Amino acid sequence: GESVGLHLPTLSVQEGDNSIINCAYSNSASDYFIWYKQESGKGPQFIIDIRSNMDKRQGQRVTVLLNKTVKHLSLQIAATQPGDSAVYFCAENLNNAGNMLTFGGGTRLMVKP
Amino acid sequence: SAVISQKPSRDICQRGTSLTIQCQVDSQVTMMFWYRQQPGQSLTLIATANQGSEATYESGFVIDKFPISRPNLTFSTLTVSNMSPEDSSIYLCSVSGTGGTEAFFGQGTRLTVV
Repeated sequence: GESVGLHLPTLSVQEGDNSIINCAYSNSASDYFIWYKQESGKGPQFIIDIRSNMDKRQGQRVTVLLNKTVKHLSLQIAATQPGDSAVYFCAENLNNAGNMLTFGGGTRLMVKP
Repeated sequence: SAVISQKPSRDICQRGTSLTIQCQVDSQVTMMFWYRQQPGQSLTLIATANQGSEATYESGFVIDKFPISRPNLTFSTLTVSNMSPEDSSIYLCSVSGTGGTEAFFGQGTRLTVV
C-alpha cells in the first residue's frame, strides 16, 4: 500500500547497526513524551515513553533520551533489524488531563540488509 | 492496552459526498480522539470526543465539516462531509491508556476523494 512517509526525512542504516532518530519538540511545558512506530497501512504503535522528570529511559533494544534544555528528544534503536523499517514519530502531551498529543514531523527509517 | 477497530479501512469517494468512519473500542474509555494524517505528513488532531457532550475541535477544524458522534463509552463516528480531493488522508481514531497516558490507535481509514 501507499507509504505514509513519502515526503519525510529518511534515515538509512545497515542491519545490525544502531539507529538514532531525533525530534525537537515545541512546548517547554510539555511533561510527557512518546515515540511511535508506524508501518505502512497501520496506525501508530507505542514504542516507549518518558516523563519530563527523567532524562533517559530504556526498553527492549530502545532508549529514549530527553534534553529539556534544548527541547530535544531522541530514540536509539540498538542492533537495528529489517522489521524496524517504518516511520517514527515523537509526540508531546500538552494536556495532563486528556492526553491530547502533538506529533512531530516523523522520520522514515530504512534498514538495509 | 486497548484494541481499536475502524471501519472502513479504506474507501474511494466522489467529491461532494460524505463518509462516516466508525471507531469501536474493546473497553470503556472516557475520551476518544480523531486525527488526520495527510499524505507524507504527521498526525494532526481534529477533535476530542467525550461521551454525552459535544466534541471539542482543534483550530482549523469545524463541526459542519467533521461532525462527530459519541453515543457511548466504546464507540464514536467521524463524518467527513462534502468531500473534496483535499480531504484525501488517513483518518485515525485513538484512546488514552490507563491513567491517561499513552495513546492507542486504530489502524486508520485511508480515504481517497476523486
